[in-house]
Amino acid sequence: AQSVTQLDSQVPVFEEAPVELRCNYSSSVSVYLFWYVQYPNQGLQLLLKYLSGSTLVKGINGFEAEFNKSQTSFHLRKPSVHISDTAEYFCAPMNYGGSQGNLIFGKGTKLSVKP
Amino acid sequence: DAGVIQSPRHEVTEMGQEVTLRCKPISGHNSLFWYRQTMMRGLELLIYFNNNVPIDDSGMPEDRFSAKMPNASFSTLKIQPSEPRDSAVYFCASSLVGPYGYTFGSGTRLTVV
Repeated sequence: AQSVTQLDSQVPVFEEAPVELRCNYSSSVSVYLFWYVQYPNQGLQLLLKYLSGSTLVKGINGFEAEFNKSQTSFHLRKPSVHISDTAEYFCAPMNYGGSQGNLIFGKGTKLSVKP
Repeated sequence: DAGVIQSPRHEVTEMGQEVTLRCKPISGHNSLFWYRQTMMRGLELLIYFNNNVPIDDSGMPEDRFSAKMPNASFSTLKIQPSEPRDSAVYFCASSLVGPYGYTFGSGTRLTVV
């Protein structure tokens, strides 16, 4: 069964600093990987996804993530964060086989950007 | 497209009352998911439907919870009777069947007093 670990529950960082949010997954089958962002009092919004091809994936708001198959990781990065990036971020792998695939959400990482 | 639409946005009810949450998925999407989010337990998948058919309801906490999808454009999650521990934000999401991401609604914040 698929599982996901977000290694940090909270990440405080100063504005304009770089940030990396870590995600590791376990899978024995083909996997697709997603990152979602949840701003306060809102629903989850797709940030980026990896389905195939280039292992470096670019998403909205300047975020990117790198798929590393050997380390079963899909870490999210941004070179310079803004106050508006304060939100909770969820890593979500999907086991996909045949016609069915479901996202498995991690416990989330709360990013707090300080001025 | 208006996205996934949930109603109501906020619901406050007394313990023992019936609560019905509503969801309209994105037109053309054939999978629908109900999640519950709390501080303690994070995001929990309650149930999901493919082509209006419930596929997995193993996340439904107990018999007080029920979900229906009478057609491709509408789903309900009902709690009867409600209890204070049901207080949470309930999200509905929809997608195409396959390796696609989900589109989430804005959620219903339920408070049971």
